[in-house]
Amino acid sequence: GAGVSQTPSNKVTEKGKYVELRCDPISGHTALYWYRQSLGQGPEFLIYFQGTGAADDSGLPNDRFFAVRPEGSVSTLKIQRTERGDSAVYLCASSSEGGAADTQYFGPGTRLTVL
Amino acid sequence: AQKITQTQPGMFVQEKEAVTLDCTYDTSDPSYGLFWYKQPSSGEMIFLIYQGSYDQQNATEGRYSLNFQKARKSANLVISASQLGDSAMYFCAMRERNQGGKLIFGQGTELSVKP
Repeated sequence: GAGVSQTPSNKVTEKGKYVELRCDPISGHTALYWYRQSLGQGPEFLIYFQGTGAADDSGLPNDRFFAVRPEGSVSTLKIQRTERGDSAVYLCASSSEGGAADTQYFGPGTRLTVL
Repeated sequence: AQKITQTQPGMFVQEKEAVTLDCTYDTSDPSYGLFWYKQPSSGEMIFLIYQGSYDQQNATEGRYSLNFQKARKSANLVISASQLGDSAMYFCAMRERNQGGKLIFGQGTELSVKP
């Protein structure tokens, strides 16, 4: 079956603009995660959905970042008033249940560049 | 304090030899999982192997094995018979039961396999 897909693969925007990043998880996976990876670093957790609800949004850096998953499948990460420091690769992952042993499978990421 | 520490920013190994990538972790949660991911230059995070905190035996998956030393809080990845395609970044990650779904990643180790 298809893996996790993310669109767009690359996004270049100007400081102050609004962007949306989309994640399509593996079919049937109830848990969905967003991470951010800066150059030379490991991924950092942003938010975790179990079904339609955000089970943990403790990693969102500030209120400019918001994510939704209205039907429990596709998720959109929304960034308002983008800043140059938001430039990073945004990774999405999904897993079947969300338990401690549950393996997360990652998409190819969206590279966001804020000019 | 760092939850996951990977002390080797870069490693070299000769093709067909074995290599060990180090990972130490810090947690007070008795229930946790440890994961290793590979990230080639293409950027996608590829799941390699999982070890649960209560697992009695070290995990193995093909050429990958995990040297789990619970008392030392280490979870080193061993790659046997290295191949040129193993050249990539390798990330160790931990998931704590009391922290829900999020993975905490180390800084990564860049492995280069020499022909």
